[in-house]
Amino acid sequence: GAGVSQTPSNKVTEKGKYVELRCDPISGHTALYWYRQSLGQGPEFLIYFQGTGAADDSGLPNDRFFAVRPEGSVSTLKIQRTERGDSAVYLCASSPAGALSGNTIYFGEGSWLTVV
Amino acid sequence: DQQVKQNSPSLSVQEGRISILNCDYTNSMFDYFLWYKKYPAEGPTFLISISSIKDKNEDGRFTVFLNKSAKHLSLHIVPSQPGDSAVYFCAASDSGGSNYKLTFGKGTLLTVNP
Repeated sequence: GAGVSQTPSNKVTEKGKYVELRCDPISGHTALYWYRQSLGQGPEFLIYFQGTGAADDSGLPNDRFFAVRPEGSVSTLKIQRTERGDSAVYLCASSPAGALSGNTIYFGEGSWLTVV
Repeated sequence: DQQVKQNSPSLSVQEGRISILNCDYTNSMFDYFLWYKKYPAEGPTFLISISSIKDKNEDGRFTVFLNKSAKHLSLHIVPSQPGDSAVYFCAASDSGGSNYKLTFGKGTLLTVNP
């Protein structure tokens, strides 16, 4: 497809379990972003990749959260020992480059995570 | 601490009339602003943006106004159409090499009634 693809679209997991969320960005986009949107809130920045490296991971809430992008394309967001407060929509986005001016960030449909 | 505030959770407008969505920000370092539109079960879609060197940007039915001194921006939709019904997010970014990171407001649900 032409857009940002995220899988799974929905995930229900038990508290304490490990979860992986996958993002396939638009082909050729070097910049990739993860955001988290909790109920009633706007999206919150988690991490930004430029190529394979995490250029800014300042938004990750704690060390249970980790993300990789080993080949500069697909990215995986990993959450260990999930807690009920992790329940949210996890949005992935990509853009042709890291700078916003003159660029547009394209979002995927999100992965809805529910921790029970 | 909300750096980008959308104080109206919802707005209802009649088809054909103007919709005005408001956004306030507190961080004076923000110099690039965007509006995103989001339908249920979809990701946010970019609508329009404005740089702080401008006070107005227009794209078809959508116009964004920026008042830097008041740290306020607004999105005008004229004429409003039922298909415009969605949640609208205001987002901001600062420069200095870090302008990839967006700070979003909580959103305003716009309902355009036929």
